[in-house]
Amino acid sequence: GENVEQHPSTLSVQEGDSAVIKCTYSDSASNYFPWYKQELGKRPQLIIDIRSNVGEKKDQRIAVTLNKTAKHFSLHITETQPEDSAVYFCAASIPDNFNKFYFGSGTKLNVKP
Amino acid sequence: EAQVTQNPRYLITVTGKKLTVTCSQNMNHEYMSWYRQDPGLGLRQIYYSMNVEVTDKGDVPEGYKVSRKEKRNFPLILESPSPNQTSLYFCASSLTSGSLADTQYFGPGTRLTVL
Repeated sequence: GENVEQHPSTLSVQEGDSAVIKCTYSDSASNYFPWYKQELGKRPQLIIDIRSNVGEKKDQRIAVTLNKTAKHFSLHITETQPEDSAVYFCAASIPDNFNKFYFGSGTKLNVKP
Repeated sequence: EAQVTQNPRYLITVTGKKLTVTCSQNMNHEYMSWYRQDPGLGLRQIYYSMNVEVTDKGDVPEGYKVSRKEKRNFPLILESPSPNQTSLYFCASSLTSGSLADTQYFGPGTRLTVL
Protein backbone atom coordinates (compact mmCIF):
# COMPACT_ATOMS: atom_id res chain seq x y z
CA GLY A 1 0.00 0.00 0.00
CA GLU A 2 0.85 3.66 0.07
CA ASN A 3 3.49 5.00 2.45
CA VAL A 4 3.61 8.70 3.31
CA GLU A 5 6.63 10.14 5.07
CA GLN A 6 6.60 13.63 6.54
CA HIS A 7 9.50 15.85 7.57
CA PRO A 8 10.45 17.47 9.82
CA SER A 9 8.66 16.14 12.88
CA THR A 10 9.13 19.48 14.64
CA LEU A 11 9.78 22.91 13.23
CA SER A 12 10.42 26.12 15.10
CA VAL A 13 10.40 29.47 13.27
CA GLN A 14 10.38 33.12 14.20
CA GLU A 15 7.19 35.05 13.60
CA GLY A 16 7.22 36.47 10.07
CA ASP A 17 9.52 33.78 8.69
CA SER A 18 8.42 31.08 6.26
CA ALA A 19 7.85 27.44 7.13
CA VAL A 20 8.08 24.48 4.78
CA ILE A 21 6.90 20.96 5.51
CA LYS A 22 7.62 18.15 3.09
CA CYS A 23 5.94 14.83 2.40
CA THR A 24 6.90 11.98 0.12
CA TYR A 25 4.62 9.22 -1.08
CA SER A 26 5.35 5.84 -2.59
CA ASP A 27 2.40 4.99 -4.85
CA SER A 28 2.37 6.88 -8.13
CA ALA A 29 -1.39 6.21 -8.40
CA SER A 30 -2.08 8.68 -5.55
CA ASN A 31 -3.94 11.65 -6.95
CA TYR A 32 -5.26 13.71 -4.06
CA PHE A 33 -3.12 15.38 -1.40
CA PRO A 34 -4.79 17.27 1.45
CA TRP A 35 -3.10 19.09 4.30
CA TYR A 36 -4.67 19.27 7.73
CA LYS A 37 -3.98 21.55 10.67
CA GLN A 38 -4.64 20.27 14.16
CA GLU A 39 -4.55 22.68 17.07
CA LEU A 40 -4.05 21.31 20.54
CA GLY A 41 -7.09 19.36 21.68
CA LYS A 42 -8.99 20.00 18.46
CA ARG A 43 -9.93 18.04 15.38
CA PRO A 44 -7.81 18.04 12.19
CA GLN A 45 -9.12 20.64 9.77
CA LEU A 46 -8.39 20.91 6.08
CA ILE A 47 -6.30 23.94 5.19
CA ILE A 48 -5.45 23.26 1.57
CA ASP A 49 -5.48 20.39 -0.89
CA ILE A 50 -4.14 19.65 -4.35
CA ARG A 51 -4.97 17.13 -7.04
CA SER A 52 -2.43 15.43 -9.25
CA ASN A 53 -3.33 17.42 -12.35
CA VAL A 54 -2.09 20.63 -10.69
CA GLY A 55 1.47 21.55 -9.74
CA GLU A 56 0.80 24.34 -7.26
CA LYS A 57 -2.07 25.87 -5.35
CA LYS A 58 -2.18 28.98 -3.21
CA ASP A 59 -4.54 30.36 -0.63
CA GLN A 60 -3.35 33.62 0.91
CA ARG A 61 -0.28 32.76 3.04
CA ILE A 62 -0.50 29.03 2.38
CA ALA A 63 0.64 27.18 -0.71
CA VAL A 64 1.12 23.56 -1.67
CA THR A 65 3.41 22.29 -4.41
CA LEU A 66 3.34 18.85 -5.97
CA ASN A 67 6.13 17.09 -7.85
CA LYS A 68 4.63 13.93 -9.32
CA THR A 69 7.88 12.75 -10.85
CA ALA A 70 9.69 12.85 -7.54
CA LYS A 71 6.54 11.86 -5.62
CA HIS A 72 6.69 14.60 -3.09
CA PHE A 73 4.55 17.53 -2.07
CA SER A 74 5.19 20.41 0.27
CA LEU A 75 3.29 22.89 2.39
CA HIS A 76 4.58 26.45 2.43
CA ILE A 77 3.44 28.99 5.00
CA THR A 78 4.68 32.54 4.54
CA GLU A 79 4.70 35.37 7.06
CA THR A 80 4.04 32.96 9.90
CA GLN A 81 2.03 34.09 12.89
CA PRO A 82 1.76 32.61 16.40
CA GLU A 83 -1.70 31.27 15.55
CA ASP A 84 -0.08 29.08 12.89
CA SER A 85 1.40 27.03 15.73
CA ALA A 86 -0.17 23.57 15.48
CA VAL A 87 0.47 20.07 14.20
CA TYR A 88 0.23 19.72 10.44
CA PHE A 89 -0.57 16.45 8.68
CA CYS A 90 -0.21 15.60 5.03
CA ALA A 91 -2.12 12.78 3.38
CA ALA A 92 -2.30 10.98 0.07
CA SER A 93 -5.28 9.21 -1.45
CA ILE A 94 -5.38 6.52 -4.12
CA PRO A 95 -8.43 6.64 -6.38
CA ASP A 96 -8.89 2.90 -6.63
CA ASN A 97 -8.66 2.38 -2.91
CA PHE A 98 -12.02 3.72 -1.79
CA ASN A 99 -10.89 7.17 -0.74
CA LYS A 100 -8.49 5.75 1.83
CA PHE A 101 -6.22 8.44 3.20
CA TYR A 102 -2.65 7.62 4.09
CA PHE A 103 -1.45 10.16 6.62
CA GLY A 104 2.01 11.39 7.39
CA SER A 105 3.14 11.29 11.00
CA GLY A 106 2.69 15.03 11.52
CA THR A 107 4.86 18.13 11.99
CA LYS A 108 4.63 20.21 15.11
CA LEU A 109 5.12 23.83 14.07
CA ASN A 110 6.02 26.38 16.72
CA VAL A 111 5.98 30.03 15.71
CA LYS A 112 7.85 32.14 18.23
CA PRO A 113 6.62 35.71 18.70
CA GLU B 1 -24.70 23.61 10.19
CA ALA B 2 -22.80 20.86 8.36
CA GLN B 3 -20.94 18.79 10.89
CA VAL B 4 -19.69 15.48 12.19
CA THR B 5 -20.56 14.78 15.81
CA GLN B 6 -19.20 12.19 18.22
CA ASN B 7 -20.32 11.05 21.63
CA PRO B 8 -19.07 10.82 24.24
CA ARG B 9 -16.21 13.31 24.03
CA TYR B 10 -14.43 11.81 27.02
CA LEU B 11 -14.74 8.34 28.47
CA ILE B 12 -12.92 6.49 31.23
CA THR B 13 -13.76 2.82 31.48
CA VAL B 14 -12.37 -0.45 32.75
CA THR B 15 -10.95 -3.42 30.91
CA GLY B 16 -13.59 -5.68 29.41
CA LYS B 17 -16.59 -3.38 29.72
CA LYS B 18 -18.23 -3.05 26.32
CA LEU B 19 -18.62 0.47 24.98
CA THR B 20 -19.88 2.27 21.91
CA VAL B 21 -18.74 5.59 20.53
CA THR B 22 -21.33 7.16 18.27
CA CYS B 23 -20.63 9.17 15.13
CA SER B 24 -23.15 11.06 13.09
CA GLN B 25 -22.92 13.35 10.07
CA ASN B 26 -25.58 15.57 8.54
CA MET B 27 -23.94 16.12 5.15
CA ASN B 28 -25.35 13.04 3.39
CA HIS B 29 -21.81 11.73 2.97
CA GLU B 30 -21.32 8.25 1.60
CA TYR B 31 -17.92 7.60 3.11
CA MET B 32 -17.25 7.40 6.84
CA SER B 33 -14.18 6.31 8.70
CA TRP B 34 -12.75 5.86 12.18
CA TYR B 35 -9.20 6.77 13.15
CA ARG B 36 -7.18 6.55 16.29
CA GLN B 37 -4.48 9.05 17.08
CA ASP B 38 -1.56 8.19 19.30
CA PRO B 39 1.53 10.30 20.03
CA GLY B 40 4.18 9.86 17.35
CA LEU B 41 1.99 7.58 15.25
CA GLY B 42 -0.25 10.08 13.52
CA LEU B 43 -3.72 9.05 12.40
CA ARG B 44 -4.32 5.38 11.80
CA GLN B 45 -7.48 4.09 10.17
CA ILE B 46 -9.50 1.52 12.11
CA TYR B 47 -12.50 0.85 9.88
CA TYR B 48 -14.23 2.59 7.04
CA SER B 49 -17.57 2.42 5.28
CA MET B 50 -18.28 3.25 1.68
CA ASN B 51 -22.04 3.29 2.13
CA VAL B 52 -24.88 1.72 4.09
CA GLU B 53 -24.12 -1.90 5.00
CA VAL B 54 -20.67 -1.70 3.36
CA THR B 55 -17.75 -1.66 5.78
CA ASP B 56 -14.15 -2.80 5.66
CA LYS B 57 -11.06 -2.98 7.82
CA GLY B 58 -8.48 -0.25 7.93
CA ASP B 59 -4.94 -0.59 9.20
CA VAL B 60 -5.64 -1.34 12.88
CA PRO B 61 -9.04 -3.09 13.14
CA GLU B 62 -8.23 -5.59 15.90
CA GLY B 63 -10.47 -5.18 18.92
CA TYR B 64 -13.02 -2.97 17.16
CA LYS B 65 -16.33 -3.43 15.38
CA VAL B 66 -18.45 -1.05 13.35
CA SER B 67 -21.85 -0.99 11.72
CA ARG B 68 -23.50 1.20 9.08
CA LYS B 69 -27.23 0.67 9.22
CA GLU B 70 -28.03 4.24 8.24
CA LYS B 71 -26.13 6.64 6.05
CA ARG B 72 -25.65 9.27 8.76
CA ASN B 73 -24.44 7.01 11.60
CA PHE B 74 -21.28 4.98 12.00
CA PRO B 75 -20.78 3.74 15.57
CA LEU B 76 -17.51 2.27 16.81
CA ILE B 77 -17.87 -0.67 19.17
CA LEU B 78 -15.27 -1.99 21.57
CA GLU B 79 -16.59 -5.35 22.74
CA SER B 80 -13.90 -5.91 25.36
CA PRO B 81 -11.71 -2.83 25.72
CA SER B 82 -8.11 -3.20 26.79
CA PRO B 83 -5.60 -0.59 28.03
CA ASN B 84 -3.82 -0.54 24.64
CA GLN B 85 -7.00 0.95 23.19
CA THR B 86 -6.51 4.07 25.26
CA SER B 87 -6.33 6.72 22.57
CA LEU B 88 -7.92 9.71 20.91
CA TYR B 89 -10.53 8.60 18.38
CA PHE B 90 -11.79 10.57 15.40
CA CYS B 91 -14.68 9.87 13.11
CA ALA B 92 -14.54 11.38 9.63
CA SER B 93 -16.79 11.57 6.61
CA SER B 94 -16.50 12.60 2.99
CA LEU B 95 -18.81 13.02 0.06
CA THR B 96 -17.42 10.45 -2.33
CA SER B 97 -15.91 7.04 -2.09
CA GLY B 98 -15.30 6.60 -5.77
CA SER B 99 -12.41 7.47 -7.99
CA LEU B 100 -12.61 11.18 -7.20
CA ALA B 101 -11.37 11.57 -3.67
CA ASP B 102 -12.82 14.33 -1.57
CA THR B 103 -11.66 15.81 1.65
CA GLN B 104 -12.58 14.17 4.89
CA TYR B 105 -14.29 16.17 7.62
CA PHE B 106 -13.44 15.17 11.15
CA GLY B 107 -15.56 14.96 14.26
CA PRO B 108 -14.39 16.63 17.49
CA GLY B 109 -12.73 13.50 18.83
CA THR B 110 -13.34 11.10 21.72
CA ARG B 111 -10.65 10.68 24.32
CA LEU B 112 -10.88 7.14 25.67
CA THR B 113 -9.02 5.83 28.70
CA VAL B 114 -9.19 2.12 29.50
CA LEU B 115 -7.98 1.25 33.00
